[in-house]
Amino acid sequence: GAVVSQHPSRVICKSGTSVKIECRSLDFQATTMFWYRQFPKQSLMLMATSNEGSKATYEQGVEKDKFLINHASLTLSTLTVTSAHPEDSSFYICSATLQGPNQPQHFGDGTRLSIL
Amino acid sequence: EDKVVQSPLSLVVHEGDTVTLNCSYEVTNFRSLLWYKQEKKAPTFLFMLTSSGIEKKSGRLSSILDKKELFSILNITATQTGDSAVYLCAVGETGANNLFFGTGTRLTVIP
Repeated sequence: GAVVSQHPSRVICKSGTSVKIECRSLDFQATTMFWYRQFPKQSLMLMATSNEGSKATYEQGVEKDKFLINHASLTLSTLTVTSAHPEDSSFYICSATLQGPNQPQHFGDGTRLSIL
Repeated sequence: EDKVVQSPLSLVVHEGDTVTLNCSYEVTNFRSLLWYKQEKKAPTFLFMLTSSGIEKKSGRLSSILDKKELFSILNITATQTGDSAVYLCAVGETGANNLFFGTGTRLTVIP
């Protein structure tokens, strides 16, 4: 149980392109999902908390107009990197938790984004 | 300020060795400490610890938390090459869903 699927796993595109990444909870409902970013040899940095049916909560320094998050259902959250530039190249990972107290986060396989 | 500090940053051992990975933390309202294993892709969940002194065990892996000293260790006995990965420690606070991650310990197990 608690499987999180992330798609696509790898994206290579030109500068200025907008890229959408999907995060799905396959066998459970997730009212909250999280989006992280990880640079090489660094740890995961939380970008935003995605709440079903409401606006996402962004961490300090993360541009909400740059990283659009939509959590339209209990099993799907999307992250759109708008007008991506080379500095946006990174590993983006989503996670979700089962409902209830003290539940661990379960991670998707991540999306490696390369902007040329 | 670093909320979660892991040590060592990297470790190289031979198969069969036992290793201990360290995680110290500093958060205002501690809720839980989690250990994850990250290979090439996203982290996979290992343990979640909320109470001091209670060891959690899964096969050759075990972990324990000391809430007084704000510290946790992850032990791996009889290491295998498949244990090679980055081991991440993360801490959650009460009233918040997000986790604070350490930078990880990169473990390499040599045959």
